[in-house]
Amino acid sequence: EVQLVESGGGLVQPGRSLRLSCTASGFTFGDYEMSWFRQAPGKGLEWVSFIRSKAYGWTTEYAASVQGRFTISRDDSKSVAYLQMNSLRTEDTAVYYCTRDRLQWLPDYWGQGTLVTVSS
Amino acid sequence: DIQMTQSPSTLSAPVGDRVTITCRASQTISSRLAWYQQKPGKAPKLLIYKASSLESGVPSRFSGSGSGTEFTLTISSLQPDDFATYYCQQYNTYSTFGQGTKVEIK
Repeated sequence: EVQLVESGGGLVQPGRSLRLSCTASGFTFGDYEMSWFRQAPGKGLEWVSFIRSKAYGWTTEYAASVQGRFTISRDDSKSVAYLQMNSLRTEDTAVYYCTRDRLQWLPDYWGQGTLVTVSS
Repeated sequence: DIQMTQSPSTLSAPVGDRVTITCRASQTISSRLAWYQQKPGKAPKLLIYKASSLESGVPSRFSGSGSGTEFTLTISSLQPDDFATYYCQQYNTYSTFGQGTKVEIK
């Protein structure tokens, strides 16, 4: 059974940093692209970042809203994806979901989400 | 960026009704369109991909159609478990979602 478990969320002040982790199981992690999406309270879904598999050079993509502040990475030996979030803003407050991607930008499995609250 | 526009924003219908949700892309996305169902406090669930392909395990009362810029999600006979918010997503160029359609009990 495919499982994705996010961790690392919490309350953080504006301008500070946070690192989210996504621990995967139930599939060959290294074969898949992985993404992060987010959903602000009461709002819709927004793609945040994407990392390709080793076969595609572990290359990354970012939404314009987080470009230069967030960094996605992965450790295939541990089956973990990360999202390093720097210079956090109040508008980054959201539930952050980790996803496995069947195709580029097409998630087929989602984690349960982790809440990040940016507030002073 | 490709903009996705869903309609209606809210839909009220009784159990057993046939319901249709529409999604329009601001430019052509071929058939790279997915539909997700989300219940309160839960992660989205993939229902349809490639505009009309039913995800494994999803009931056959769900169907999708369209290509280019116009797409629809149809639930042939609304069931109590179907009351949720539905999102369309284009994955042709990066990823963008519609604003969601909340399906409520009438």
